Formats: sequence, C-alpha cells, structure tokens
Amino acid sequence: DTGVSQDPRHKITKRGQNVTFRCDPISEHNRLYWYRQTLGQGPEFLTYFQNEAQLEKSRLLSDRFSAERPKGSFSTLEIQRTEQGDSAMYLCASSLAPGQGYEQFFGPGTRLTVL
Amino acid sequence: DQQVKQNSPSLSVQEGRISILNCDYTNSMFDYFLWYKKYPAEGPTFLISISSIKDKNEDGRFTVFLNKSAKHLSLHIVPSQPGDSAVYFCAASGEGADGLTFGKGTHLIIQP
Repeated sequence: DTGVSQDPRHKITKRGQNVTFRCDPISEHNRLYWYRQTLGQGPEFLTYFQNEAQLEKSRLLSDRFSAERPKGSFSTLEIQRTEQGDSAMYLCASSLAPGQGYEQFFGPGTRLTVL
Repeated sequence: DQQVKQNSPSLSVQEGRISILNCDYTNSMFDYFLWYKKYPAEGPTFLISISSIKDKNEDGRFTVFLNKSAKHLSLHIVPSQPGDSAVYFCAASGEGADGLTFGKGTHLIIQP
C-alpha cells in the first residue's frame, strides 16, 4: 500500500497524559499536513511541513501541541497534558509541492479519546 | 467565521438520478477548490478539483462547476450509485495559505 499511513488508529488516554501520533506520507510527496476533525465538522488545518521545515501553524495549535518531521519523511504530532477537548480525529495528509498539484491525500486518521 | 459553507447537512437522491452538492465561500482570495468524499472510520478521499481560472472540470461521473462572481461551486454526480453514499466535503485554498479550509460536509444518501 503506497498511501498515507497513520499510527495508531485509536488512542485512549487519561487527562493530563502525553500522546504521540505518527504519519508516514506518500514517498514522493514533500509536503505533509496535520488536521483535526471533530464530530459534525470538517477537518481543521493545524500545521504543515515542506520537507523538514515547518512552514505554517494554525492558531488552533496551542503550546501543548508540537509537530516534527526530522528527516523530511515521517512526521510526529505530540500533545502534552491532554485535555478532554483534545478528543478528535487527527488526520495527516501529503502532497507534492505547489505547481505540481494542490491535491492533498489523506491517511485514515488517529482517533484520540481523552477520558 | 466560516469561510466555506455547505448549507445542506444531508441530501437524499434516487439511484440513477443526478446528485448536486453545493458549496459557498466568502474569501475572495481562494483560488483552488477541491471535493473530498469520506466514509465512516476512513480519511477523506480526493475526488475532483478546480482552479479559479476555470469554470468547469469533469472526471467520469463527477463534474465540478465554479461560479466565481457568486462565490459558489457545485459537484454533480451522474448517474448516482449506491457506493456514492458518503459525506462530501468542499475545501478551498489560496491567500498564500497552503492548509485547506473545509466546509462541514453534506451527507449524501443514495436510495435504491
């Protein structure tokens, strides 16, 4: 399977714990995006990388959130001191650079439940 | 402030007929528009896109129309099939931002 993959698919944690999610993009894509989706809403943009550089962050990305893409391949999204409001589906997407197509291809998501 | 609006939460269409899903946007800096389809427990799947320099793009059963003056786009599916039952999201990009802005989605139900 050469699509975007995410791990884990589901995560249940207690409030105050830290969690980390991983995303592996389509191999030839140099852009990688993180989104969050809550019930009844469309995906909301969080941040994106071009290669290893983090180029844009949404105001939704509070100080408790951090994302990395150390070698320009896979990415991790960490949430520290989780809160119940962090419960959502976290989606990763990848794309080619601008000029080669704006289409973003999504992974299956990681569903986070904070108890 | 919702910049991309899908005002119909759900739409029911008979199999074989045309499905028309609508989307409105408020940000005139958006210059690229996309439609995604989503099944439960899966990520969104890219369907079709259109640049602001065009007013129509077609791919098989799917056609997207863009009316820039009205800030409106629509997705036509002809003929509708049972496998088309899903949530459809309209998304837009532009204004120098590369993150997509999504609508809330329309749940399309194809009736046999």
